Amino acid sequence: DAGVIQSPRHEVTEMGQEVTLRCKPISGHDYLFWYRQTMMRGLELLIYFNNNVPIDDSGMPEDRFSAKMPNASFSTLKIQPSEPRDSAVYFCASSYQGAVTGELFFGEGSRLTVL
Amino acid sequence: QQQVKQSPQSLIVQKGGISIINCAYENTAFDYFPWYQQFPGKGPALLIAIRPDVSEKKEGRFTISFNKSAKQFSLHIMDSQPGDSATYFCAANDRGSTLGRLYFGRGTQLTVWP
Repeated sequence: DAGVIQSPRHEVTEMGQEVTLRCKPISGHDYLFWYRQTMMRGLELLIYFNNNVPIDDSGMPEDRFSAKMPNASFSTLKIQPSEPRDSAVYFCASSYQGAVTGELFFGEGSRLTVL
Repeated sequence: QQQVKQSPQSLIVQKGGISIINCAYENTAFDYFPWYQQFPGKGPALLIAIRPDVSEKKEGRFTISFNKSAKQFSLHIMDSQPGDSATYFCAANDRGSTLGRLYFGRGTQLTVWP
């Protein structure tokens, strides 16, 4: 089975530009998570969805960040306008709550650099 | 507020040695404690996990020790190998109420040198 698929893998943009990160979760998984990883703050949960519905977006840093999950196989994380402090690796992860372990499966991440 | 506190931040171990990473939590409702391993350029991946009804779980060279009364758990890597060099994250959640959300520690960067 294909794992969690994220795109783009690398994004370099200039301050003020819009950035859209994309994620395809594992088929059949009912939870989708967006994390941000930096050296200073480690892994931060930004937002997560259950059955396409946002459950907790308290980790979204500010209104410049938004996330959508229009269907069970696709989610986006958008930053508009982007700032240099948004530079980080953004991970998408999915899980199936019915599984005994509740294991999170992570994608390989999208490395964002905002100049 | 960090729900799970992890130490040390970095660890250097000689090949064949024992690597030990410690985590502590406050929320007594937590009932699932996984460890994730992350290699450079990759996403974290589940390594091993434990539930609080057991005090130890072993899978190959990796062992989780769990102390419920102290609210602490640790990862031991026996006979550490250069291929174990990675970042390790402990995590916890309350599967009954937080609906799948994992709280991660800040991570430990392990380097095993030959």
